[in-house]
Amino acid sequence: GAVVSQHPSWVICKSGTSVKIECRSLDFQATTMFWYRQFPKQSLMLMATSNEGSKATYEQGVEKDKFLINHASLTLSTLTVTSAHPEDSSFYICSVSQGARYGYTFGSGTRLTVV
Amino acid sequence: QKEVEQNSGPLSVPEGAIASLNCTYSDRGSQSFFWYRQYSGKSPELIMFIYSNGDKEDGRFTAQLNKASQYVSLLIRDSQPSDSATYLCAVNHQGGADGLTFGKGTHLIIQP
Repeated sequence: GAVVSQHPSWVICKSGTSVKIECRSLDFQATTMFWYRQFPKQSLMLMATSNEGSKATYEQGVEKDKFLINHASLTLSTLTVTSAHPEDSSFYICSVSQGARYGYTFGSGTRLTVV
Repeated sequence: QKEVEQNSGPLSVPEGAIASLNCTYSDRGSQSFFWYRQYSGKSPELIMFIYSNGDKEDGRFTAQLNKASQYVSLLIRDSQPSDSATYLCAVNHQGGADGLTFGKGTHLIIQP
């Protein structure tokens, strides 16, 4: 599968500030990347699909103005959590797919804590 | 609503035995099915995926798919303590163009 690099691994920020998370596909040109969120003791929930050169597609219930996604190149997608609040504290994970029959590879994840 | 169901466990299995993990899904149009392993605090690691009815084997792991029953399973032979983790079943609906729908995971404990 693809090699996916995500950083930072963890970040602590103050309530009301913004945080940017980067996801890089190191060996595969990804026109599509996916962003997930995982709360403690829960499963991964798809937040949005990041499309290179176009707007992201957000899942129902995910605020697009709060979770800004930019996919400016075939190797980089960023997720910015704007005006973060404690309830945004979660594990954010990006993913790259080389096609459903090749599996989806996940980044190492970013643990966000908003204080 | 597309759903993936798993028994949350914990499922406790003696070392060396076969661990059997099960998953059902609601969307008959689902195309590909994945098993991921997730250790606490880490991101998921792909174990294997399957898209045709029947069995698929990879080392100690066997995935089984029954589309008529909308059922996917994962067998782990010769279970090792290092297999202790949460196992996530995930389903894809549009052949890679969309993300995955995950089950809540089964917590597997291999007892030495």
